[in-house]
Amino acid sequence: AQSVTQPDIHITVSEGASLELRCNYSYGATPYLFWYVQSPGQGLQLLLKYFSGDTLVQGIKGFEAEFKRSQSSFNLRKPSVHWSDAAEYFCAVGVLDQGGKLIFGQGTELSVKP
Amino acid sequence: ETGVTQTPRHLVMGMTNKKSLKCEQHLGHNAMYWYKQSAKKPLELMFVYNFKEQTENNSVPSRFSPECPNSSHLFLHLHTLQPEDSALYLCASSQGLAGTNEQFFGPGTRLTVL
Repeated sequence: AQSVTQPDIHITVSEGASLELRCNYSYGATPYLFWYVQSPGQGLQLLLKYFSGDTLVQGIKGFEAEFKRSQSSFNLRKPSVHWSDAAEYFCAVGVLDQGGKLIFGQGTELSVKP
Repeated sequence: ETGVTQTPRHLVMGMTNKKSLKCEQHLGHNAMYWYKQSAKKPLELMFVYNFKEQTENNSVPSRFSPECPNSSHLFLHLHTLQPEDSALYLCASSQGLAGTNEQFFGPGTRLTVL
């Protein structure tokens, strides 16, 4: 069955430090992968997506993610975190059967220390 | 209005009440979705509509009844809810199917069932 695992429920980093949020997926075919961010009181916003080609994808707000097929991972990174990055981050895999849908991980809450 | 809007933003209802959530997308998309977001759980896809036709009902209890009168509007009718139905209900839309295309989310309706 298709699934997405985000091993870290909550991460705290200092402002200016680097960030890596982990995501592992289970899907039999070539995956379509997404990272979304949710700020308090808001809906989800797409940060970046991977469909094919270059395994390092750039997104908005200075984020990037690397697709590693051998590890079934799609980790999100940012070299220097800003206080405004505090939010919840969701990894998702696109499933093409059953009409197409997204399967989300349980999310990682990011806190940023001044 | 731009993007995806949801009303009301907050709703408190008793278990015997009947209420409706409304979602409107101003993006010209053909697909619309209802998700349930509970604390510490992955987003749960409830319903998918594509060109006004329901293409997914993810084993949702009948006390939740969706309605999609056109590609821009989506409703979720609620009746005889249980306290465990308290959650954030998110609406989303996409052009094409969600497995490969970005979904745009509304801010959600925070539902509390007493």
